[in-house]
Formats: sequence, structure tokens, C-alpha cells
Amino acid sequence: RKEVEQDPGPFNVPEGATVAFNCTYSNSASQSFFWYRQDCRKEPKLLMSVYSSGNEDGRFTAQLNRASQYISLLIRDSKLSDSATYLCVVTLSIMTTDSWGKLQFGAGTQVVVTP
Amino acid sequence: GAVVSQHPSWVICKSGTSVKIECRSLDFQATTMFWYRQFPKQSLMLMATSNEGSKATYEQGVEKDKFLINHASLTLSTLTVTSAHPEDSSFYICSAKTGGALSPLHFGNGTRLTVT
Repeated sequence: RKEVEQDPGPFNVPEGATVAFNCTYSNSASQSFFWYRQDCRKEPKLLMSVYSSGNEDGRFTAQLNRASQYISLLIRDSKLSDSATYLCVVTLSIMTTDSWGKLQFGAGTQVVVTP
Repeated sequence: GAVVSQHPSWVICKSGTSVKIECRSLDFQATTMFWYRQFPKQSLMLMATSNEGSKATYEQGVEKDKFLINHASLTLSTLTVTSAHPEDSSFYICSAKTGGALSPLHFGNGTRLTVT
């Protein structure tokens, strides 16, 4: 089983609609969570961190459910420019030999916003 | 603005030659940088962790003699793909953290390597 799993999609979303998708993680020691956006043939760019209480940044809302070990991303009022692959990134506990925290990447969820 | 700069953005080389990719941290010191590789439609794969002033830590299955990493200063790490072959063609991305262990990664713009 992969440590971080995402539905690969694609999620085809009409412009202006809402889309939401999850990312599940297997290690309960995971401590920090991020959503990145990656456009085709480009590097990932940080979209937002995910906080325990949930957080919102404009049209984007991220939630964390520790009990069920998943994070979610919701995009409201989708724009054509939101078309991208969204990567879930999880950092395991720093109480390991790797003081930088071990990062785990999901394979990404592709979102396609259509006119 | 960008906090990690990577060069070159793309390179085409002949089989058997070596290619060096540079990764620079801008306006901050990065004692640790990370090198990833990504094949089309696949997730990022961590290749190695680059440590300033010491040897890099390679992930299982990554050949250290083929992918030479040098982190000679606090702002520069280099990855050299030696004796490149077509199967080495991929998107190589470096990254660094500006904060502590639980802070997010910032990625360079990536290098698309094509070996002919």
C-alpha cells in the first residue's frame, strides 16, 4: 500500500463549478500536510499548507481529518486556470534519523476545468 | 518570487556524455537540498538528499556513481548525470526548505533532460 494515495482523476469540472478531492495517508505519525499544484512540464508550486482546524485561501479550502487520516482540497468557482495536477505532500514525524522530516508525495490528482 | 533557482531548464545531450545541473538557493542558506526525478504522468521520486560539506544520502536504487551530487556551498548543489543514456531522460527537480523540518519544500524550476 502506498503511504500517500490520491485519486489520479481526471476530474472534469465545468467552469464555475466546485470540485473536491481527498488524499489519504497511512502513517498516523504524519505531522504536516501540504497541497501543491503542478502544471504540465513544470515544477510543483506550493498551493497551501493544511492546518488542523482547516484553512481557506480564496477559492481554495483545505481540511485535515486525522481520525480518518486524509486531507482534502476543495476548489470553488473553478477557473480554467485551475486546470493542473494537485499533489498531496505529507511530512512524517521529525522524531526520526532524518532531522528534516521525511516527505511523502502522492501521485497527484488531475483537474481539468472546461469552458 | 522564486526562492530556488535551477539551471539549465532543459538540455539535450548525446548518449555517453555527462550533464551537470545546478540548484541555487536565493536569499537563504540551504544546508540541505533534495533532488527529485519525475517521469511523465508519474509522481516525484526522491533521488538523494544533498548535504552541504558532506556526502549526499542516496535513496535505495539510485546509483551514487551515476548521479554525482556536490553541495560545496550553502547556496549551491549540483547534480551530475554521468554517462547519460536515453533511459535517464526525465524531469529533474531540486528543492530546499526555507524553514524547519515541518516546513514546505520550495522547488526549483526543474531541468528537462533528453538523452539522444
